[in-house]
Amino acid sequence: NAGVTQTPKFQVLKTGQSMTLQCAQDMNHNSMYWYRQDPGMGLRLIYYSASEGTTDKGEVPNGYNVSRLNKREFSLRLESAAPSQTSVYFCASSMDGQMQETQYFGPGTRLLVL
Amino acid sequence: KQEVTQIPAALSVPEGENLVLNCSFTDSAIYNLQWFRQDPGKGLTSLLLIQSSQREQTSGRLNASLDKSSGRSTLYIAASQPGDSATYLCAVRPGGFKTIFGAGTRLFVKA
Repeated sequence: NAGVTQTPKFQVLKTGQSMTLQCAQDMNHNSMYWYRQDPGMGLRLIYYSASEGTTDKGEVPNGYNVSRLNKREFSLRLESAAPSQTSVYFCASSMDGQMQETQYFGPGTRLLVL
Repeated sequence: KQEVTQIPAALSVPEGENLVLNCSFTDSAIYNLQWFRQDPGKGLTSLLLIQSSQREQTSGRLNASLDKSSGRSTLYIAASQPGDSATYLCAVRPGGFKTIFGAGTRLFVKA
């Protein structure tokens, strides 16, 4: 039982390049989330997927797209990377997104955009 | 707009000391408050979740309290150990699928 896994662990991009961050969970959770964490700031929600087949914008969606590929997988795509997207990206999942639930987090992807 | 603040940003204590981490939030209309632990280079691990109707939750040496009316929560760590060194984050759930996180308190427990 691996929980939430993310690939890659670390990535360096040049401005304008594109990439996809992968996330998978094996807990049979319905809801999945993408956050970014910047120094001195709390985690901020980029996009979330309440259930398979649905996605919604969070607090900071500009410059990102997501795909809920199936119940297990939720990917985050940067179409044209910018230095402002240098951050640590976390994927999380929860059973149904209900108020009493906790979220389970992956180990993060560290992204540097030059 | 809901904002979550954690003070201090960093804290260093000797081993064995009891300590309190603070969290404040601007809007008392929350469904729950959660404390997480984050180790360097790792993801977040949930420590305690307090529903809005509850006043506190306990797990081992950890006790978290919630005072919605004043917009405050505290995380009490008893008999601190070097293994407790980590960043502790507070997060509130205002509704829907969104969670608002504080920036965290970095704790260092000296042996």
